[in-house]
Amino acid sequence: AQSVTQLDSQVPVFEEAPVELRCNYSSSVSVYLFWYVQYPNQGLQLLLKYLSGSTLVKGINGFEAEFNKSQTSFHLRKPSVHISDTAEYFCAVRGGFTGGGNKLTFGTGTQLKVEL
Amino acid sequence: DTGVSQDPRHKITKRGQNVTFRCDPISEHNRLYWYRQTLGQGPEFLTYFQNEAQLEKSRLLSDRFSAERPKGSFSTLEIQRTEQGDSAMYLCASSYTSETQYFGPGTRLLVL
Repeated sequence: AQSVTQLDSQVPVFEEAPVELRCNYSSSVSVYLFWYVQYPNQGLQLLLKYLSGSTLVKGINGFEAEFNKSQTSFHLRKPSVHISDTAEYFCAVRGGFTGGGNKLTFGTGTQLKVEL
Repeated sequence: DTGVSQDPRHKITKRGQNVTFRCDPISEHNRLYWYRQTLGQGPEFLTYFQNEAQLEKSRLLSDRFSAERPKGSFSTLEIQRTEQGDSAMYLCASSYTSETQYFGPGTRLLVL
């Protein structure tokens, strides 16, 4: 079974400042990792994913994340945020090629609030 | 390429009534998933179909819940005898391979 911890429930940041949203996971098998964004009253939009290969993955809207196997982390970063980045961000994990099922296991989310 | 669609987007019902939600996946996707999201929480897995076969069900899916995907295309999720605790956002996702799931806009259910 997998689990995801997003320690920060809310992250306030000023526009044009850098931001990091933290995600740690637990799994007994190899994993695929995802970050999704959810705007109010909408579904989830995929930001980026790590399946294999390079540990630094780039996504949409200038976001990137780094997979760190030794620290079981997959933190999301953006060097300069915009007011339109205000949303809820979810980290998710599922078992990789070697097993673990098909379902995604999500963290509880981090609310990013960008202020002027 | 249209995305995942869900209908209705909002549903208000009285306790004890039955409700049914529909999900239309991305056209070439053979895998379909249902999740439930309550306020302040991340989505929780309910069930998964590959083509028309329901291959996995969560313990969250009580006997009052049933999901179908009769022709391997659209899916329905029915909740019988709704309870106030069923109030949530119900999300559908689809995928072509097992790797990346694409989500619909969700159906928000309020049980009075």
